[in-house]
Amino acid sequence: QQQVKQSPQSLIVQKGGISIINCAYENTAFDYFPWYQQFPGKGPALLIAIRPDVSEKKEGRFTISFNKSAKQFSLHIMDSQPGDSATYFCAASAWHNNDMRFGAGTRLTVKP
Amino acid sequence: NAGVMQNPRHLVRRRGQEARLRCSPMKGHSHVYWYRQLPEEGLKFMVYLQKENIIDESGMPKERFSAEFPKEGPSILRIQQVVRGDSAAYFCASSPPAVSYGYTFGSGTRLTVV
Repeated sequence: QQQVKQSPQSLIVQKGGISIINCAYENTAFDYFPWYQQFPGKGPALLIAIRPDVSEKKEGRFTISFNKSAKQFSLHIMDSQPGDSATYFCAASAWHNNDMRFGAGTRLTVKP
Repeated sequence: NAGVMQNPRHLVRRRGQEARLRCSPMKGHSHVYWYRQLPEEGLKFMVYLQKENIIDESGMPKERFSAEFPKEGPSILRIQQVVRGDSAAYFCASSPPAVSYGYTFGSGTRLTVV
């Protein structure tokens, strides 16, 4: 049972462009939505996270947009850089249940 | 703050042997989670543990796999009689108690079954 659906599976963006990764969830009990960044050979690292009481959160070049009614959220990477090339995972969890469910991941390649 | 420590980083086992993967959570974290990642795939939840308790093992295969998080010492993921299909990266994450504030992941153990 896939509780978090992520797209696209892979993404190629030119340097300076905007990278957009989308996720949709099913469980309305989810109330915490983080994004993780994973480089080859490393563990995932928390990048940015949002709770459903806000529709947008921005940290530097990274922005999460959240649409509660549509049960969707997305990651936008502005001015994408080759160093952003990595696999990105969205995730969701509920406060009463520490289990976190992950999307399938998006492999981002930023071409110089 | 040493972060989440996993060892070994790489583990090679022959088919039929046992694999033991260890995870020491971050200081102050009492919740441990194990995930499996196959090449070019996402993170598959396996098991969620607190000290001396398995909270959710819905992602764990029914046979050959077990996990524990004893009162003292690291969490252990144990795979008995390994098969080639068990070859994967196994990640451990930890979190503080109570609400979800995000996981901190270790660097993983890459298991290769030959």
